[in-house]
Amino acid sequence: QKEVEQDPGPLSVPEGAIVSLNCTYSNSAFQYFMWYRQYSRKGPELLMYTYSSGNKEDGRFTAQVDKSSKYISLFIRDSQPSDSATYLCAGGGTASKLTFGTGTRLQVTL
Amino acid sequence: NAGVTQTPKFRILKIGQSMTLQCTQDMNHNYMYWYRQDPGMGLKLIYYSVGAGITDKGEVPNGYNVSRSTTEDFPLRLELAAPSQTSVYFCASSPRGGGSSGNQPQHFGDGTRLSIL
Repeated sequence: QKEVEQDPGPLSVPEGAIVSLNCTYSNSAFQYFMWYRQYSRKGPELLMYTYSSGNKEDGRFTAQVDKSSKYISLFIRDSQPSDSATYLCAGGGTASKLTFGTGTRLQVTL
Repeated sequence: NAGVTQTPKFRILKIGQSMTLQCTQDMNHNYMYWYRQDPGMGLKLIYYSVGAGITDKGEVPNGYNVSRSTTEDFPLRLELAAPSQTSVYFCASSPRGGGSSGNQPQHFGDGTRLSIL
């Protein structure tokens, strides 16, 4: 079993839709959780950073962590074509030792 | 605001050749990392460094070497290139933190695409 599992997609949604991206993890020691966005032929770009359980909101993006079920989610409201990218989740016991999911490819269509 | 800079962006090597992938950051970050990204496999940590003069192995270190003589630079060396090392290589950095609020996320460069034929 991989430490961080993520559906590879692709996930296709119409512009304006609410997008839900999800990951599960198996390591109970994970305290730090991150979402990165990666455009084609670019490096991962930090989107959201959460410590322990709870929600964090930043503009159109909301990250949720449920440590009891080992489940992390990213919600994107009012999705835009510019949100089309691969989204990587990551978890770790420290922010410097991360395990990444394989990424979910998102396509937002006009 | 350059951030993390990686060179070269693309490279083709022959089997058995050697090369160094360069990485430099201008954010005065203590921690630096090298990952490789293969299709469907996610990011795998090769080596990391917590400061100048200190390096340690990650999940997939075989076939690679690193050094960290300055805070800014963290080169990755391939001594005898093999087809299995065809991949996209990413360098990242993060500031040192302490305690639950001090750990800071990693910032990535745009990668080096390496093909070994």
